[in-house]
Amino acid sequence: DVKVTQSSRYLVKRTGEKVFLECVQDMDHENMFWYRQDPGLGLRLIYFSYDVKMKEKGDIPEGYSVSREKKERFSLILESASTNQTSMYLCASSLGGTNKAYEQYFGPGTRLTVT
Amino acid sequence: AQKITQTQPGMFVQEKEAVTLDCTYDTSDQSYGLFWYKQPSSGEMIFLIYQGSYDEQNATEGRYSLNFQKARKSANLVISASQLGDSAMYFCAMSRRSGGSYIPTFGRGTSLIVHP
Repeated sequence: DVKVTQSSRYLVKRTGEKVFLECVQDMDHENMFWYRQDPGLGLRLIYFSYDVKMKEKGDIPEGYSVSREKKERFSLILESASTNQTSMYLCASSLGGTNKAYEQYFGPGTRLTVT
Repeated sequence: AQKITQTQPGMFVQEKEAVTLDCTYDTSDQSYGLFWYKQPSSGEMIFLIYQGSYDEQNATEGRYSLNFQKARKSANLVISASQLGDSAMYFCAMSRRSGGSYIPTFGRGTSLIVHP
């Protein structure tokens, strides 16, 4: 089974802190994604990566950055956390290429609270 | 820009009955994909079904089928013979190709409650 793990299920940080959310997948997937999920808004794509050291902005990249130094690991960085970044953060991975690239495997999520 | 609309914030269905969850989309792309995900109260996202824009036949996966009407830009999910375990949030999504990746846009979701 594909497994996507996230470093924390719950995280509480203070405004202005630098926050790292880590995601690891064990299926050698080329693509990795970071989303945030807010009630009534669905999932919104923050950043995605289609290869090591390659990244592209999603729909709401402001206030976030990412890092992918190894294929299995994709990190989301909040440079200076703000209260409006309080949310559920979901990581996902998928195969590259044309077959099955649409099928994403999600991690359990990290609920981040910024106070 | 792509847009996904799910107009039903909540739906109720009796166990063993069929239910249709609505999804409409908007895109200027010729090639795109449509998917549905399920999110139970545990929070995990579970991939259910996929339909390509050039696929002639509606996709089916067990009790799930995707009613794809391209001219109407709709991609409704039909769940036959509902079970109590089907109670969850359901998200419709569409994607565009970007290199070898599919970049998705999700709808806001529909909460389905199955009554015994």
